Amino acid sequence: AQTVTQSQPEMSVQEAETVTLSCTYDTSESDYYLFWYKQPPSRQMILVIRQEAYKQQNATENRFSVNFQKAAKSFSLKISDSQLGDAAMYFCAYRRDTDKLIFGTGTRLQVFP
Amino acid sequence: DTAVSQTPKYLVTQMGNDKSIKCEQNLGHDTMYWYKQDSKKFLKIMFSYNNKELIINETVPNRFSPKSPDKAHLNLHINSLELGDSAVYFCASSQAMMGSSLNIQYFGAGTRLSVL
Repeated sequence: AQTVTQSQPEMSVQEAETVTLSCTYDTSESDYYLFWYKQPPSRQMILVIRQEAYKQQNATENRFSVNFQKAAKSFSLKISDSQLGDAAMYFCAYRRDTDKLIFGTGTRLQVFP
Repeated sequence: DTAVSQTPKYLVTQMGNDKSIKCEQNLGHDTMYWYKQDSKKFLKIMFSYNNKELIINETVPNRFSPKSPDKAHLNLHINSLELGDSAVYFCASSQAMMGSSLNIQYFGAGTRLSVL
């Protein structure tokens, strides 16, 4: 069975600095998709970034980028120029084709001014 | 316009009661999901429907029954509520395109259920 592990329950960063959130997963599949979702205090689940496993190039979305290491089954999220509004729970998720999302346990990110 | 809407946002009820949570999506998606987020923030799939057909049922107690009157709606009925059912329930939807990264799941704002 596929599993997703986020080993950092909490992280903190100062405004304008860079922070990296870790995620590892376990799967025997070769084709799958990986996601980072953000959940602010409002509770809404917001997609931050996605990565197709067949693509070697790391995905980027403005200040958010990933380091996808397929052989190591690692999918970390880098947030550059951190802003106060980035404070939230961040969930790493795995999905194969049209199947369900399998989530990690989340990392709470605090941003200090 | 809200893409995936859930009602109510908050639900407080007594043990033993029966309650429903409604979900509607206006994205034209074929697939809808229910996820449960427990008190430790862990999110887990409960059900998935594709074009009104149940395709995922993750060993959820049969007190939970999803109902999909059409592909834009997926409601969750819970009978004989227990203390352990207290959680946040999220509805999500996606366009089921096989092998496509466009199959992004969009989430509703969640329903916080508190069973007293």
